[in-house]
Amino acid sequence: DVKVTQSSRYLVKRTGEKVFLECVQDMDHENMFWYRQDPGLGLRLIYFSYDVKMKEKGDIPEGYSVSREKKERFSLILESASTNQTSMYLCASSFVTENQPQHFGDGTRLSIL
Amino acid sequence: DQQVKQNSPSLSVQEGRISILNCDYTNSMFDYFLWYKKYPAEGPTFLISISSIKDKNEDGRFTVFLNKSAKHLSLHIVPSQPGDSAVYFCGGSNYKLTFGKGTLLTVNP
Repeated sequence: DVKVTQSSRYLVKRTGEKVFLECVQDMDHENMFWYRQDPGLGLRLIYFSYDVKMKEKGDIPEGYSVSREKKERFSLILESASTNQTSMYLCASSFVTENQPQHFGDGTRLSIL
Repeated sequence: DQQVKQNSPSLSVQEGRISILNCDYTNSMFDYFLWYKKYPAEGPTFLISISSIKDKNEDGRFTVFLNKSAKHLSLHIVPSQPGDSAVYFCGGSNYKLTFGKGTLLTVNP
């Protein structure tokens, strides 16, 4: 079974802090993704990566950056956390082959105070 | 611009009956469509998919129908079970996946 592991289930940080969310997958997937889920807005893509050190902006990249130094690990960075970044963050991975489903982690509930 | 729309925020059905969840899309470049199920405090779980060259895909109790001319897809769950109660997201994909806002399905015993 595919395992996508997010380092924290719950996280509380303060406004202005630099926040790191970590994600690791064990299926040798080329693609990795970061989404946020908000009530009434569904799942929105923040950033994705199709290879080590490669990244592309998703639909809502403002205020975020990412890092992919190893194939299995994809980090989301909030450079200076703000209260509007309080959300559920979901990491996903998939093979690069066409028409492959993404597999999700269980999410990190991040609260910015 | 919302490329994938799930116009019903919620749906309630009786156990044993059919659940039909609907999804409309605007992006003609989507070549692959997926449905995910999400329980509270868990990540979305892949349910079923369909390629744009097909009009139907079936997996057990779950069937997805695609009407390309209408840019519409639907998920049928027959028979519905209380354990199916969850939020269902549809998504369309070209090189990246775009999700709808989700429909909360409640199956009443």
